[in-house]
Amino acid sequence: AQTVTQSQPEMSVQEAETVTLSCTYDTSESDYYLFWYKQPPSRQMILVIRQEAYKQQNATENRFSVNFQKAAKSFSLKISDSQLGDAAMYFCAYRSSQGGSEKLVFGKGTKLTVNP
Amino acid sequence: GAGVSQSPSNKVTEKGKDVELRCDPISGHTALYWYRQSLGQGLEFLIYFQGNSAPDKSGLPSDRFSAERTGGSVSTLTIQRTQQEDSAVYLCASSAEGVPQFFIYNEQFFGPGTRLTVL
Repeated sequence: AQTVTQSQPEMSVQEAETVTLSCTYDTSESDYYLFWYKQPPSRQMILVIRQEAYKQQNATENRFSVNFQKAAKSFSLKISDSQLGDAAMYFCAYRSSQGGSEKLVFGKGTKLTVNP
Repeated sequence: GAGVSQSPSNKVTEKGKDVELRCDPISGHTALYWYRQSLGQGLEFLIYFQGNSAPDKSGLPSDRFSAERTGGSVSTLTIQRTQQEDSAVYLCASSAEGVPQFFIYNEQFFGPGTRLTVL
């Protein structure tokens, strides 16, 4: 079974600075998807960024980018120019690309605080 | 509505009572998921519905948990004889999944969840 580990329960960053959240995962599959989700106090899960394992290029979405190291099974999220609105819980998630296994497997999350 | 909705937003119940949680997926989405988020934990998969296929119930923690999806749309998660350890946020998500294929991804859109407190 796949597992996702987030080793940083809490992180903090100064506004306008850069922060990196860590995630490692374990799988025997070669093709899969990885995600970062943001959960603000409203509880609404918001997709931040997605990475397909077969793509070598790291995904980027505006201020958010990932460092995907397939051999090391590492998938970190970098937030540049941090804003107060970035404060939230961040969850790393895994999904198999095999048909019939669409469920997401989540890590326990990292609480990000942004200091003004 | 444009998004996934869930009701109630909050539910407080007494130990031993049955509860029903409702999820209205995005119109046209064929796939529906239930997840549970316990305090300080990530989301834990419970059950997955896809069209008319048999649901994937592999994540249900005990036989006190059940779910149904009527008419391929609204879903109800039922917890019988609630226990204090059932206290959690229950999140529903839907996606426009078609026939499962490799390298085809359809985003899961989440509802705001139901916070269940069992006293």
